[in-house]
Amino acid sequence: AQSVTQPDIHITVSEGASLELRCNYSYGATPYLFWYVQSPGQGLQLLLKYFSGDTLVQGIKGFEAEFKRSQSSFNLRKPSVHWSDAAEYFCAVATGASGTYKYIFGTGTRLKVLA
Amino acid sequence: EAGVVQSPRYKIIEKKQPVAFWCNPISGHNTLYWYRQNLGQGPELLIRYENEEAVDDSQLPKDRFSAERLKGVDSTLKIQPAELGDSAVYLCASSLDQGSYTFGSGTRLTVV
Repeated sequence: AQSVTQPDIHITVSEGASLELRCNYSYGATPYLFWYVQSPGQGLQLLLKYFSGDTLVQGIKGFEAEFKRSQSSFNLRKPSVHWSDAAEYFCAVATGASGTYKYIFGTGTRLKVLA
Repeated sequence: EAGVVQSPRYKIIEKKQPVAFWCNPISGHNTLYWYRQNLGQGPELLIRYENEEAVDDSQLPKDRFSAERLKGVDSTLKIQPAELGDSAVYLCASSLDQGSYTFGSGTRLTVV
């Protein structure tokens, strides 16, 4: 069965430090992969997505993610974290044939940023 | 452009009472989704609409949950009767090409 695993429930980093959030997926075919961010009391905002092509994807707010097929991973990175990045981050995979996509989300990683 | 609009933002009800949530998707987005997000979890799909047709409702608890999307625009999700375990955030999302969603801010339901 398709699944998404985010092994880190909580991560704490200092402002200005680099960040990497891990995401592993289980899916037989080439997946469509996404990272979303959710601030408290808010809906989910799309940071970036991978459909095909260049495996290093640039997103909004200075985030990037790299698709590694051999590792079934799609880790999110940011070189220098800002206090406003504190939020919950969700990795998701879209499965199914064109026109029947179903999104499966991971359980999320809550990011805390220390001043 | 207005985003996905949901109302109410918060709702507190007693168990066994009915409750309804409303969603207005982005104009022109044919696909509409309802997700439920339990505390500390990622969203889980309840139902997906293509225009006015529910094309995937396999995870909708049909004994107490119902949804409709009349005229293929606004949608309503209803729970009757609500149970304590229904406490969650109910998220609506819409998409144009199923490539990526736009989510609303959600309705936080508390059943007491």
